[in-house]
Amino acid sequence: LAKTTQPISMDSYEGQEVNITCSHNNIATNDYITWYQQFPSQGPRFIIQGYKTKVTNEVASLFIPADRKSSTLSLPRVSLSDTAVYYCLVMDSNYQLIWGAGTKLIIKP
Amino acid sequence: NAGVTQTPKFRVLKTGQSMTLLCAQDMNHEYMYWYRQDPGMGLRLIHYSVGEGTTAKGEVPDGYNVSRLKKQNFLLGLESAAPSQTSVYFCASSYSLTTVDQFFGPGTRLTVL
Repeated sequence: LAKTTQPISMDSYEGQEVNITCSHNNIATNDYITWYQQFPSQGPRFIIQGYKTKVTNEVASLFIPADRKSSTLSLPRVSLSDTAVYYCLVMDSNYQLIWGAGTKLIIKP
Repeated sequence: NAGVTQTPKFRVLKTGQSMTLLCAQDMNHEYMYWYRQDPGMGLRLIHYSVGEGTTAKGEVPDGYNVSRLKKQNFLLGLESAAPSQTSVYFCASSYSLTTVDQFFGPGTRLTVL
């Protein structure tokens, strides 16, 4: 079975770049690695997906090494509104969805 | 489009009572999911559905039942509520069984006394 590991919490300051890494083994070879953001009292919402190498969109970048055993979410120049919990989501080789436990990111002024 | 909606938003039950949580989506998604999220914890999959009339167990199915009689609706039932089922319940839907593009509802906060 796949297992994911993320840091429980991180903090940073406005304007800094933040990198959150998720370790995951035994994941499906044909599905994306996906990251979600969750604010208090809301459901998670999709941030970014990637299969391998690097993906960038308007809010984040995602770095995935060739072995796909980890992924790193990069948030450039964070602001107070980026304070949230961030989850990685993978699918294991049995097609089961495996959520990370979440990383609570606190941005300080 | 309303996206994914959940009813009710809050509920308090006594131990042994039953209730049904309703999830509705208007995106014509085939896949629907029920998750629970305990305080300070990540999401755990209870049950999911791969289409109308079909359901499957997730990571923590015990104590819950589900039904998908219509494509747009996914019901989660608690037959005999227990304090251990106090949690926030999220429904989600997606167009396929993938990690990508799971759309979540706002959640139902359930307290079992």
